[in-house]
Amino acid sequence: GAVVSQHPSRVICKSGTSVKIECRSLDFQATTMFWYRQFPKQSLMLMATSNEGSKATYEQGVEKDKFLINHASLTLSTLTVTSAHPEDSSFYICSASAGYNEQFFGPGTRLTVL
Amino acid sequence: RKEVEQDPGPFNVPEGATVAFNCTYSNSASQSFFWYRQDCRKEPKLLMSVYSSGNEDGRFTAQLNRASQYISLLIRDSKLSDSATYLCVVNTPQDDKIIFGKGTRLHILP
Repeated sequence: GAVVSQHPSRVICKSGTSVKIECRSLDFQATTMFWYRQFPKQSLMLMATSNEGSKATYEQGVEKDKFLINHASLTLSTLTVTSAHPEDSSFYICSASAGYNEQFFGPGTRLTVL
Repeated sequence: RKEVEQDPGPFNVPEGATVAFNCTYSNSASQSFFWYRQDCRKEPKLLMSVYSSGNEDGRFTAQLNRASQYISLLIRDSKLSDSATYLCVVNTPQDDKIIFGKGTRLHILP
């Protein structure tokens, strides 16, 4: 299957700092990328959907000014958690799709905010 | 009714047994269905797509029942390595929605 990478895999930061997570589709062009968050023992929660070259569509309850998403190319999307706080500590996973069928997931980024 | 519902489990099943679980969905317009497997603290990985005619991949069989609006996953001759959380995913392109179930935890016991 297609490969999606995420960087960094793990990040620890102080409260109030901003953290950028990159999601790349390595061997295909992703028309759509998705960002998910997963708290311990819970399912994935879709945060936003982004299409290349357009603004992301955020799910209800997700602050677009706090979670900045940029999908500048067909192989790269970034999620920036601005002014991170301890409650933002979570597992962030991106996925990429070339259509509305199979999604390919990145390995995830574990964010810990102290 | 929730959009996608799964029995959270856990299902504790002895090695070698057959286990099946379902996932119900509420939107009859949903078109694509998938089963993902997620190991602890890892990202989900696609296990199999679910086709209208049903499909089989080794010990795994997935079926779709549109009339009753559920998909199922059957695992035969279960292995210890099958222990994971199984997530069903439902795509509804018309509503621009992809919805994950909360997952069913499966523990295969030696």
